[in-house]
Amino acid sequence: DGGITQSPKYLFRKEGQNVTLSCEQNLNHDAMYWYRQDPGQGLRLIYYSQIVNDFQKGDIAEGYSVSREKKESFPLTVTSAQKNPTAFYLCASSDRADRTDTQYFGPGTRLTVL
Amino acid sequence: GEDVEQSLFLSVREGDSSVINCTYTDSSSTYLYWYKQEPGAGLQLLTYIFSNMDMKQDQRLTVLLNKKDKHLSLRIADTQTGDSAIYFCAESWDNYGQNFVFGPGTRLSVLP
Repeated sequence: DGGITQSPKYLFRKEGQNVTLSCEQNLNHDAMYWYRQDPGQGLRLIYYSQIVNDFQKGDIAEGYSVSREKKESFPLTVTSAQKNPTAFYLCASSDRADRTDTQYFGPGTRLTVL
Repeated sequence: GEDVEQSLFLSVREGDSSVINCTYTDSSSTYLYWYKQEPGAGLQLLTYIFSNMDMKQDQRLTVLLNKKDKHLSLRIADTQTGDSAIYFCAESWDNYGQNFVFGPGTRLSVLP
């Protein structure tokens, strides 16, 4: 089955710790994205990557870091510098050859910082 | 900057039609989308419409686009309890995906 997986589904961390969220896709998509969702708000773009070994900051990149060493993987690290990290994190991917530019989403990871 | 607006809540009776509205600001949008999010889950693409189209129908879903007024709507016919979810409108305006903006989402509640 082709799709996007995120793990874990729920993650708890103590304040001051870095934590890495996993995102893997087997759709052979070039582009991958990380969004943050807070209650009652839309999705806000954290980082995106159009190709391997390249990524760009989104609207709210401060306190986050990413890497794109493999086409299928785009992990997100939430660092201790992120002031309010508790949120629902969504990973997405898209195919640059798809003219509709549709983004496909993983199931999300809910991060709670205690 | 680019902005997408939606009303935050909508309640309908089971069996009625639901109409979820969205307004956007960027007249150069190429595609507009509707996504559905069930509790605790990711976003599921429902449908999309190319910006030079006025209407698209897919089973119980009808999308209407008024490009002059920058208004997009999603009509769900014969709404069921399983349609209860948050519905996001989104727009993109280039072929590379980095210009993709979501609305705040409309929470649809279907009452029995």
